[in-house]
Amino acid sequence: SAVISQKPSRDICQRGTSLTIQCQVDSQVTMMFWYRQQPGQSLTLIATANQGSEATYESGFVIDKFPISRPNLTFSTLTVSNMSPEDSSIYLCSVGQGDYEQYFGPGTRLTVT
Amino acid sequence: AQSVAQPEDQVNVAEGNPLTVKCTYSVSGNPYLFWYVQYPNRGLQFLLKYITGDNLVKGSYGFEAEFNKSQTSFHLKKPSALVSDSALYFCAVRDKSNTGKLIFGQGTTLQVKP
Repeated sequence: SAVISQKPSRDICQRGTSLTIQCQVDSQVTMMFWYRQQPGQSLTLIATANQGSEATYESGFVIDKFPISRPNLTFSTLTVSNMSPEDSSIYLCSVGQGDYEQYFGPGTRLTVT
Repeated sequence: AQSVAQPEDQVNVAEGNPLTVKCTYSVSGNPYLFWYVQYPNRGLQFLLKYITGDNLVKGSYGFEAEFNKSQTSFHLKKPSALVSDSALYFCAVRDKSNTGKLIFGQGTTLQVKP
């Protein structure tokens, strides 16, 4: 399976600021996704990162709040903009490989104060 | 709408005993089902999948899962639990659209006691 890294692994940010999370894969992949895991909750898909075009956002998530870039087949970024304490979560990127399964990065633990 | 449900927030089992973590699904047509495990402060690790074929699927770390179409279930099992199996387990179903996204259950905490 692909090796996926994320930066930063964790961060503490002040409300009103923005944080950009990077996701790097060691091989070219077609599908990349960004998920959010709020404290004690399950995973919710934020968006599908499309190479060369705008990301596809799920209901309840908007580009102004979570802009995503995907400049090539191995890299993507997620920005959490104008943060509030409610944005405190683990953010995970994943890639689609094999027979439909996805492999996940280690996650970025974000705390907003 | 497609969904998965994990009816138990927590499962407790003694080391060496068999374990079962339950999952039921609601999907039109044939489902693509997955189990993932999350250890503290780590990302999700893929355990196993059911796409088609044999109803009993074997995966990583000695885990297996049984697909039961009539009961719309995909329970995770292991014959002999280890303390190191203690973690958070998620069942997921692949969305039937072309997006490829996964829809996750709420998760079940497995606690294996020595």
